Amino acid sequence: QSALTQPASVSGSPGQSITISCTGTSSDVGSYNFVSWYQQHPGKAPKLMIYEGSKRPSGVSIRFSGSKSGNTASLTISGLQAEDEADYYCCSYAGSSTWVFGGGTKLTVL
Amino acid sequence: QVQLVQSGAEVKKPGASVKVSCKASGYTFTSYYMHWVRQAPGQGLEWMGIINPTGGSTSYAQKFQGRVTMTRDTSTSTVYMDLSSLRSDDTAVYYCARDSAGGTYHGQFDPWGQGTLVTVSS
Repeated sequence: QSALTQPASVSGSPGQSITISCTGTSSDVGSYNFVSWYQQHPGKAPKLMIYEGSKRPSGVSIRFSGSKSGNTASLTISGLQAEDEADYYCCSYAGSSTWVFGGGTKLTVL
Repeated sequence: QVQLVQSGAEVKKPGASVKVSCKASGYTFTSYYMHWVRQAPGQGLEWMGIINPTGGSTSYAQKFQGRVTMTRDTSTSTVYMDLSSLRSDDTAVYYCARDSAGGTYHGQFDPWGQGTLVTVSS
């Protein structure tokens, strides 16, 4: 079970949109619609932002959206705000009741 | 409200074992699977395993097979994660996280416990 591949860092200015990619394989991201995304601020527990690829939990801003194409999932944050600055992780079902996370992406709001 | 409260920080010597607890409240304990995830200092999240609180069945990441045991006590709505043969690179914050899919597992980790720091040092 190799970790999913995410860019180490992305940045954007307030109001802009950014997209974080999450690349897996045909054994995980490409085979299942169980990709989730988590936001983690320093010293805090992660927070669920997107599940089943594109669904938003209650209370999560509509500025956050998810999608998938082939073996790559994506998280898009529109209208960037200062409080969006955090680490973001993707996670995918990998079959046989196992999951795998991405390496994480540090988002900087300039 | 749904809440997961974990046990406190631990300091262990190499070769020892550690048992971390995660007490659930605010929902029907047996209706939701529970995951364990760890995060080494300055590193990313790493999935460790999952337990079905109803029957106690488990699935572990290959990396931890043979070293990790996840159990539950339905009378106290608590799940446990036992990691043995500790090494220095097991130093990490260990989290429990409920799979909010309910009755099945879809990898919707919500909510998370507050985390338990386990330090392995001689």
